[in-house]
Amino acid sequence: SQTIHQWPATLVQPVGSPLSLECTVEGTSNPNLYWYRQAAGRGLQLLFYSVGIGQISSEVPQNLSASRPQDRQFILSSKKLLLSDSGFYLCAWSVTAGTGGGYTFGSGTRLTVV
Amino acid sequence: DAKTTQPNSMESNEEEPVHLPCNHSTISGTDYIHWYRQLPSQGPEYVIHGLTSNVNNRMASLAIAEDRKSSTLILHRATLRDAAVYYCILREGSGAGSYQLTFGKGTKLSVIP
Repeated sequence: SQTIHQWPATLVQPVGSPLSLECTVEGTSNPNLYWYRQAAGRGLQLLFYSVGIGQISSEVPQNLSASRPQDRQFILSSKKLLLSDSGFYLCAWSVTAGTGGGYTFGSGTRLTVV
Repeated sequence: DAKTTQPNSMESNEEEPVHLPCNHSTISGTDYIHWYRQLPSQGPEYVIHGLTSNVNNRMASLAIAEDRKSSTLILHRATLRDAAVYYCILREGSGAGSYQLTFGKGTKLSVIP
């Protein structure tokens, strides 16, 4: 069966520090991968998606970046965090688009920038 | 993006059926109707999806109107664990938009013991 792992679960980082969040998927190959963010009291916002290794599409311009170094690994990074980067970060995967299938989300990382 | 409209909140008594409505009057012919739910401090959980026909799975049923402009998520017997925010989302069947799930505010379901 397919599983998605996301870590860490919580993170407190000072303003200006770097960030690296990792997500891995098991039990499937060539998944579509996604990073979402949910700010406090707000809806989920798509940040990045990837349809293959090294292929990243950005939906929202910001000081975050994403990389996909391996088929089932998706990394969210920042060189210098801002207070506004605080939120609940979620990784998700889906099968190839066109099938209409559902997304599977990870358990999330709650990031607090202080 | 095609959009959906849901009530902000609903209440249900435990062990009774719950019908969560969703309007999507601008749906296109290739849009899939997805439902997710999110418990506090957790990631969204896939519930069900469909295109034209009604769908059933172990979690819920999805009833789709004949003109596809509305749908209803049916929880057959609400439990306390079903208390969550339920999102009705349209996913494009192809193209760049098919990679996006655009989450609205959803319906907050409260289950009364």
